[in-house]
Amino acid sequence: SQQGEEDPQALSIQEGENATMNCSYKTSINNLQWYRQNSGRGLVHLILIRSNEREKHSGRLRVTLDTSKKSSSLLITASRAADTASYFCATVDFSGYSTLTFGKGTMLLVSP
Amino acid sequence: KAGVTQTPRYLIKTRGQQVTLSCSPISGHRSVSWYQQTPGQGLQFLFEYFSETQRNKGNFPGRFSGRQFSNSRSEMNVSTLELGDSALYLCASSLPSSGVYNEQFFGPGTRLTVL
Repeated sequence: SQQGEEDPQALSIQEGENATMNCSYKTSINNLQWYRQNSGRGLVHLILIRSNEREKHSGRLRVTLDTSKKSSSLLITASRAADTASYFCATVDFSGYSTLTFGKGTMLLVSP
Repeated sequence: KAGVTQTPRYLIKTRGQQVTLSCSPISGHRSVSWYQQTPGQGLQFLFEYFSETQRNKGNFPGRFSGRQFSNSRSEMNVSTLELGDSALYLCASSLPSSGVYNEQFFGPGTRLTVL
């Protein structure tokens, strides 16, 4: 079953602009991860944030986590055409398993 | 290191047939998970294998099964295929030790079409 929802479902921006995607989830989590998928291919891990962390950075990526609101956001700064992809958040719960529960994803289109 | 490989990449079957998909994890990875991706249901967890044992299982019917070999390679099998089984099947491997903080490395997927 899906853990939550990404918002927006689709986002279209110009190169150089920032892109912000939001993710909401339903249950308590151990950590939350963001993945990228290019055109129906495999998923690429972008960043992991633990439940006791509030913000994390990796290159042009910034992730925030608000466990009180059960939500996370992914910010991509200075977007490039190569960032065009679908972005998924995935949560890991406290069951002890590393199973990922995915949201529905945001399709990002970055135009040159 | 070579990434996760999945074979075949594309497969066309007819209803009622069975299919076996294969996944070779990154060298040294002992955990292999399988996910199904469809436009309607999104990405859903099928099962996870660790050291040849099924460690966790998602909410799928018994027609979906899997196994893992001593070299960590994994196969999943779907019997009595239905039209709704058409999907992208993704395999992911992770570090030798179990751990919820482990990044999962995904293969390119097998695109299964059931006619």
